[in-house]
Amino acid sequence: EAGVAQSPRYKIIEKRQSVAFWCNPISGHATLYWYQQILGQGPKLLIQFQNNGVVDDSQLPKDRFSAERLKGVDSTLKIQPAKLEDSAVYLCASAFPGPTHNEQFFGPGTRLTVL
Amino acid sequence: QKEVEQDPGPLSVPEGAIVSLNCTYSNSAFQYFMWYRQYSRKGPELLMYTYSSGNKEDGRFTAQVDKSSKYISLFIRDSQPSDSATYLCAASLDGNNRLAFGKGNQVVVIP
Repeated sequence: EAGVAQSPRYKIIEKRQSVAFWCNPISGHATLYWYQQILGQGPKLLIQFQNNGVVDDSQLPKDRFSAERLKGVDSTLKIQPAKLEDSAVYLCASAFPGPTHNEQFFGPGTRLTVL
Repeated sequence: QKEVEQDPGPLSVPEGAIVSLNCTYSNSAFQYFMWYRQYSRKGPELLMYTYSSGNKEDGRFTAQVDKSSKYISLFIRDSQPSDSATYLCAASLDGNNRLAFGKGNQVVVIP
């Protein structure tokens, strides 16, 4: 079974530029998550989708971050304009929703450096 | 106050030793407790999860949750160099909600 795919793996931009990340979840996984992991920290949820609807975006800095999952499969996360503090690894995870615990499978992440 | 606290100090142990990791959490509504392992330049992978209080064992790994003290533990017996990784504790309200992670512990097992 193919895992969660993310691209690009690495990105270096200057502050105030824009950047976009792409995620392809595991086939059949209706729930998709974007996490931000700053160096030395645990991942922090930015946004959670159920199919193409947003379940939780309470920690998404909406003035600069946006995300979409138009057809309930692939998702993109965009930052515009980027700040130095956005340097982090952006992790995408997916899960098959159900009534009990459903394992979140993580992709390898996109490492963003903002100069 | 962070929802899940994990002392992020690195830990070096000789091969074969027992590794003991722990976290505390503040939200008493958390029901699911997880340990993730993260190798360098990789995404986290689920090691074990526990529902509510209790112990769970899987091979050399044992997870413990004490909801009365809001304490989460992971023990690795007979540690191997391949266990060298960062270990993240996490908690969630239900099986589908966001995970609240601790900062992680970098564990190095020395051959």
